[in-house]
Amino acid sequence: HLQLQESGPGLVKPSETLSLTCTVSGGSINSDDYFWGWIRQPPGKGLDWIASIYYSGSSYYNPALEGRVTISVDTSKNQFSLKLTSVTAADTALYFCARQGSGWYSGYFDSWGHGTLVTVSS
Amino acid sequence: EILMTQSPATLSVSPGERASLSCRASQSISSNLAWYQQKPGQAPRLLMYGASTRATGIPARFSGSGSGTDFTLTISSLQSEDFAVYFCQHYDNWPGFTFGGGTKVEIK
Repeated sequence: HLQLQESGPGLVKPSETLSLTCTVSGGSINSDDYFWGWIRQPPGKGLDWIASIYYSGSSYYNPALEGRVTISVDTSKNQFSLKLTSVTAADTALYFCARQGSGWYSGYFDSWGHGTLVTVSS
Repeated sequence: EILMTQSPATLSVSPGERASLSCRASQSISSNLAWYQQKPGQAPRLLMYGASTRATGIPARFSGSGSGTDFTLTISSLQSEDFAVYFCQHYDNWPGFTFGGGTKVEIK
């Protein structure tokens, strides 16, 4: 049974860097069939895809965040991570990690972590 | 960027009734559409992919239809556990994946 668990600070100061890690258990991140992604949800609002990464390191970013966001993978630890620089209050959100199909017709997210709330405040 | 528009924003339905939720894409996305259910305090759960294929463990009362730009999620007979927020998501053009704004299904 695949499980994803987000971890990282719940409070980040404005202008600093948000760093989160997703630990995958019950399955290997070294799979040809999947990407691994981050999605966020501001309080009371909808879902925004942030970035996705393949075990090889190939990655895709939301153009709206590109330049501030970096996704990385550590296959030895079965983890992938997110860094978002120069955060503002607008980056306050519930951050989810999720598994995403890697095929052209399977880019949906079929397994999600519980989410971690990150608040940007001084 | 492909924009996804969901309607209505809120749907009030009595238990046992049928609910139809709409999702419209700003350009054709073929059948590259997924639906998710989210309950308060929980992560989204995949319901449907390929516009009409139920994900593992999803009851048959959930069905999806549509292709191109117009899609519908239908819940044939609402159960108490179905009251939630539903999101659609397209995955037609990599790497742009966008979600709709959501439809809240509430008890009438």
